[in-house]
Amino acid sequence: EPEVTQTPSHQVTQMGQEVILRCVPISNHLYFYWYRQILGQKVEFLVSFYNNEISEKSEIFDDQFSVERPDGSNFTLKIRSTKLEDSAMYFCASSIGWSYNEQFFGPGTRLTVL
Amino acid sequence: GESVGLHLPTLSVQEGDNSIINCAYSNSASDYFIWYKQESGKGPQFIIDIRSNMDKRQGQRVTVLLNKTVKHLSLQIAATQPGDSAVYFCAENIKGAGSYQLTFGKGTKLSVIP
Repeated sequence: EPEVTQTPSHQVTQMGQEVILRCVPISNHLYFYWYRQILGQKVEFLVSFYNNEISEKSEIFDDQFSVERPDGSNFTLKIRSTKLEDSAMYFCASSIGWSYNEQFFGPGTRLTVL
Repeated sequence: GESVGLHLPTLSVQEGDNSIINCAYSNSASDYFIWYKQESGKGPQFIIDIRSNMDKRQGQRVTVLLNKTVKHLSLQIAATQPGDSAVYFCAENIKGAGSYQLTFGKGTKLSVIP
């Protein structure tokens, strides 16, 4: 069964450093998403991406965040200068369409900012 | 602001009993709702969805009920099994300016007592 994969599973970084979280969406999906989940809290939408551009972004997704699809398979989330409050689980998701379509989630990357 | 929320943060049930997890939503423009299951250390896993033009949908051992009058959503799990122990999130699909985005509730932890 196809699945979304994410690497690394756990990333530890120093405050102020740049991190890149990587995702490989399901191959025939066209819509890609990033969500985050701070420990013990709900999953929060960050950004959606379609046709090589951002479709929607939340207030959380400020100038420190960027997304890219560098090739035909990877989808990345970059945080330019990490802050302590960026520590969270980051989930990538993909869907074949954008309305009435299930979003498939990856296993997540746990980001710890020290 | 409008949001999705859950009535019960924790629920303990005996193995074999039925479980009911409730969710309230406040965005009347939402037209698609999804229940996700999240096991420890994993990403959200799709359980069942329902469109706003329906009031009931059944899957294997799960049923979702939608009451648009009171903006209430519930997930019923029949013959609950130990493997059902997880956190359950309801999510509403809200159409943003460019695409749909999922807005998650905080989650209900289901514990199944053997």
